[in-house]
Amino acid sequence: EAQVTQNPRYLITVTGKKLTVTCSQNMNHEYMSWYRQDPGLGLRQIYYSMNVEVTDKGDVPEGYKVSRKEKRNFPLILESPSPNQTSLYFCASMTGQGRRNEQFFGPGTRLTVL
Amino acid sequence: DAKTTQPTSMDCAEGRAANLPCNHSTISGNEYVYWYRQIHSQGPQYIIHGLKNNETNEMASLIITEDRKSSTLILPHATLRDTAVYYCIVRVVHKLIFGTGTRLQVFP
Repeated sequence: EAQVTQNPRYLITVTGKKLTVTCSQNMNHEYMSWYRQDPGLGLRQIYYSMNVEVTDKGDVPEGYKVSRKEKRNFPLILESPSPNQTSLYFCASMTGQGRRNEQFFGPGTRLTVL
Repeated sequence: DAKTTQPTSMDCAEGRAANLPCNHSTISGNEYVYWYRQIHSQGPQYIIHGLKNNETNEMASLIITEDRKSSTLILPHATLRDTAVYYCIVRVVHKLIFGTGTRLQVFP
């Protein structure tokens, strides 16, 4: 089944404790992206990657890092989480080919930073 | 900033057509209009997209005005499972810019 998976799905952590949220897709997609969703603000893009070893900032990159060493994986790293990073996070992927260019979203990771 | 404007909420009776409007008056000639929906806090789900022609698929129809400044998503026979937040998005290259969407409530 074609899908985007994220782990963990729920995480409660404390300020300053480094964490990584993993994202993996099995569709051989070139493009991957991270979004965060906060009440009243919709989904905002954090980082994106056009292909392996190619990453770039989205609209709200501060406090986050990403890497794209393999095509299927795009982890989101919070080196020193703070309470304002409490949010619902979504990973998405998309093929760079074809007309439809649909983005497939993962199930989300709900992060709470105390 | 989101490049689209949608009503905050709408209601629809089960079995009736749900017509969700969207304004995108600043859309450029090569930008597509995409519709996604989000049920509860699940990941957004693609519905349909179009450039200037009307489009139909198994989920919905998309009507785009001739000047491309607005569009309407039509769910022909709404069911309770269609209750969700619907996002109208103008896609800029690879990037989806989400607004706050329309919360559609389908009632029995």
